[in-house]
Amino acid sequence: GAGVSQSPSNKVTEKGKDVELRCDPISGHTALYWYRQSLGQGLEFLIYFQGNSAPDKSGLPSDRFSAERTGGSVSTLTIQRTQQEDSAVYLCASSFQPGQGNYGYTFGSGTRLTVV
Amino acid sequence: DAKTTQPPSMDCAEGRAANLPCNHSTISGNEYVYWYRQIHSQGPQYIIHGLKNNETNEMASLIITEDRKSSTLILPHATLRDTAVYYCIVRVEYGGATNKLIFGTGTLLAVQP
Repeated sequence: GAGVSQSPSNKVTEKGKDVELRCDPISGHTALYWYRQSLGQGLEFLIYFQGNSAPDKSGLPSDRFSAERTGGSVSTLTIQRTQQEDSAVYLCASSFQPGQGNYGYTFGSGTRLTVV
Repeated sequence: DAKTTQPPSMDCAEGRAANLPCNHSTISGNEYVYWYRQIHSQGPQYIIHGLKNNETNEMASLIITEDRKSSTLILPHATLRDTAVYYCIVRVEYGGATNKLIFGTGTLLAVQP
């Protein structure tokens, strides 16, 4: 597609429920990243996928968070047993594989998650 | 990745040049300087990046000092739509242990009418 697409744009969920957030990267981009941004805060790295390599999960805050990328394209970020502190905007970005030409990341518009 | 230091906020008059500084005194020889901005309620947007030479594109210019320990992003004619948080990031261009960008707190640029 023309840009990075994220869905849903807004999600309100009850504490303790599981949620799935979807990211559709730009066609041809082999790298995909998830970040989150709490209200008034900076961007916090969560996880990074690069081609068929093992993902860099070093930013996931707890084992309630997981992500997968199927077929090297679409990615799903899953948060289990959501807590109020999980409320944030979850941003996805994609980029070319290093060496193919690097014009930076392209970010989606994010999913605003509110846990009530 | 090297850490960067930016002022938390700056003001600029509409139509004037906005000069946003960034210190990266521990930058390594193979690390690039990247600039992104985030307009309220939107995802960050790539602006420009460079290694050691000055760079210019349709959005901005990037001036990197000879010792590479600092840089300046220049918006030549700031408009109200340039009001945003500007992030300066350094990272390895290719390969390395990871390719992720680490965002700091950035500079909130407020363009005044």
